[in-house]
Formats: sequence, C-alpha cells, structure tokens
Amino acid sequence: GNSVTQMEGPVTLSEEAFLTINCTYTATGYPSLFWYVQYPGEGLQLLLKATKADDKGSNKGFEATYRKETTSFHLEKGSVQVSDSAVYFCALSYNQGGKLIFGQGTELSVKP
Amino acid sequence: AAGVIQSPRHLIKEKRETATLKCYPIPRHDTVYWYQQGPGQDPQFLISFYEKMQSDKGSIPDRFSAQQFSDYHSELNMSSLELGDSALYFCASSGSIGDRPLDTQYFGPGTRLTVL
Repeated sequence: GNSVTQMEGPVTLSEEAFLTINCTYTATGYPSLFWYVQYPGEGLQLLLKATKADDKGSNKGFEATYRKETTSFHLEKGSVQVSDSAVYFCALSYNQGGKLIFGQGTELSVKP
Repeated sequence: AAGVIQSPRHLIKEKRETATLKCYPIPRHDTVYWYQQGPGQDPQFLISFYEKMQSDKGSIPDRFSAQQFSDYHSELNMSSLELGDSALYFCASSGSIGDRPLDTQYFGPGTRLTVL
C-alpha cells in the first residue's frame, strides 16, 4: 500500500545551520507530495507541495524536489531560525481529492 | 483570508458519553476531510465528503459517524466514547475546478478531545 517514511527526530540544530529532513514514499502511480508544518499547540499548515516528478516546491526558504527515481521528497533549508522549531510532516495524496497519508513527523528544535 | 473553522476547540467528556465536532470549510470549498491525531502520532484519515456525499472512508470506528450539510459544513458525531478516543481531531477542506477536485488540503486548528 501507499506509505511515507520520515527520518526520526528530534532534530536539534543551531540557528543558521543547514537543515535536511529525509522523506521517502511508497506509492503506485504518481502521487502529489506535500510538506506540512505543525507549530506547538496549532494545526497543520501547508509548507510546500510538488505534483509531478522533478517539480521543486518552495516556500519561506524551504525547498523539496520530487525525485521519482529515488521515491524521495527531502525537505531542505539553508539557514534555520529559532522560529522554525516545529514538527514537520511529509505526506502524499494519491488521487486528487483523496486522503493524505502522513509520515510519522520529525520534530525540529532550533537553538539560538 | 478565511480559514477552516472548527468548534469547539477543546472538549472534555466522560467515558460512554457522546460528542459532536463541527467543521466549517473555507468558502467555496466542497470537500471536507476528518483526521485523528493521537499524542505524538501522525494524523490518521477518518472520512471525507465531496458535495455532501461520502467520498472515502478510513479507519473510522463504527461508533463514529459524520455528514456534510447543504452549506458544506460537516459534523463528526462520536458515541460511546472511550479513553482511547482522546486526540486532536482535524478537519481539512479543499476546492475544485469544475468537477475536478484539487489536491491541496487546508487544515483547521483542530478540536482537542479529552475523554476521562
């Protein structure tokens, strides 16, 4: 079946460090891929998305590229800030209008 | 911009009681999704509606039911509550172009249900 696997957290970084959160997926066909962010005590916010192979999603300095050959959608940011501390979820949607399947989430903590 | 509205934000119930959670999608969004997020867990899909008809069903217990009304808001009804039902319940909505659903879901802030 369809599934998403993320690197385990928590990830602790110093401010201005480079961030990578790995995400791989298993799916038949061509799913859409997403990164959502959840700040403490809040709901899920869409961070970025990509809908086909080699698409790059970007937002607020975060980037992720849809790699079909490696079935991956790794999240990167060149210089993290304390305000980026949150839980990050990778997700896929197999059909338009279909449910989201989430990875287990990766907690990021950025220290000043 | 208007977002997804959920009510109540917090709810405390006793075992075996019932609860009703409400969701108001973004205006002109016709698809609503419900997810359950246990402590430290990823959100799990429960059920979805498109144009007031159930479109998909996930791991929703038989004790739960849901519907989407003519104004597109949705309600999740939960009966015979158990301790394990304590979780964050998210509603999300998405729109469509013509009869083609869009794949981006926008989430509400969630309802935190505590069952004692």
